[in-house]
Amino acid sequence: DAGITQSPRHKVTETGTPVTLRCHQTENHRYMYWYRQDPGHGLRLIHYSYGVKDTDKGEVSDGYSVSRSKTEDFLLTLESATSSQTSVYFCAISDLTGTDTQYFGPGTRLTVL
Amino acid sequence: GQQVMQIPQYQHVQEGEDFTTYCNSSTTLSNIQWYKQRPGGHPVFLIQLVKSGEVKKQKRLTFQFGEAKKNSSLHITATQTTDVGTYFCAGRYGGSQGNLIFGKGTKLSVKP
Repeated sequence: DAGITQSPRHKVTETGTPVTLRCHQTENHRYMYWYRQDPGHGLRLIHYSYGVKDTDKGEVSDGYSVSRSKTEDFLLTLESATSSQTSVYFCAISDLTGTDTQYFGPGTRLTVL
Repeated sequence: GQQVMQIPQYQHVQEGEDFTTYCNSSTTLSNIQWYKQRPGGHPVFLIQLVKSGEVKKQKRLTFQFGEAKKNSSLHITATQTTDVGTYFCAGRYGGSQGNLIFGKGTKLSVKP
C-alpha cells in the first residue's frame, strides 16, 4: 500500500462543532483528493489539490474547506458539522503519470450527532 | 454534470458462478479505471482502460472498454469467496486533467 495515513480514523462529534480531518502522504505525489462515501452514492469528490496551496472544488464541496500548506499534508475542515456530513471520508493521492492510479488512505469514519 | 451509471447495485452468486458488472456513460470517456473495495477497507486500483475496444485480463478477471468509449464491463469467471467486495468503475472525462467520476459500485457476495 502507498504511504497514506488519515487521522483520526474514527470521530464522533456534535452538530455545529468544527472538525478537521488530516491526510498525510510519504509518496511526494502532487495530487491529493478528498472523497466521501455513503451507501447508495459510491465515492463523491469533495475537494482536490494539484499542488501546495492549489486547491479546487469537487462535486460535493458545500460545507467543506481544504488547505494544503505542505506537499505531504491535505486537511479537510467542516466549519460547522451537520448530520448530513456523517460519512466515511477517504483521502487519495495521484501523480497523474503512467496509469494515473489513485491510491486511497484507510478512511475516517465521522459521525455527527 | 457527468455521470457514470453502474449496474447491478448488488449481486449474490454461488461460488463458482460467473459475475459481471457494467458501467455506462452518456458521453465519451478519456479512460476508465476499475477499483475493488473489500468490506471495511479502502478502494484499491485494479486496472485502467484507455483504447477503444480494449480488453485486458487479470487471471479470472476480464475488463472491456466499449468501441465508443462510453461503456465498460468487468467479468469474473468462476467466482471465489476472495472476490467478495464492492467493485467500482471510475470514468475520466476531458483528458488527463479531468477528475475521476465514480460509479456507485456493485457489491458482490459469494456463497460458499
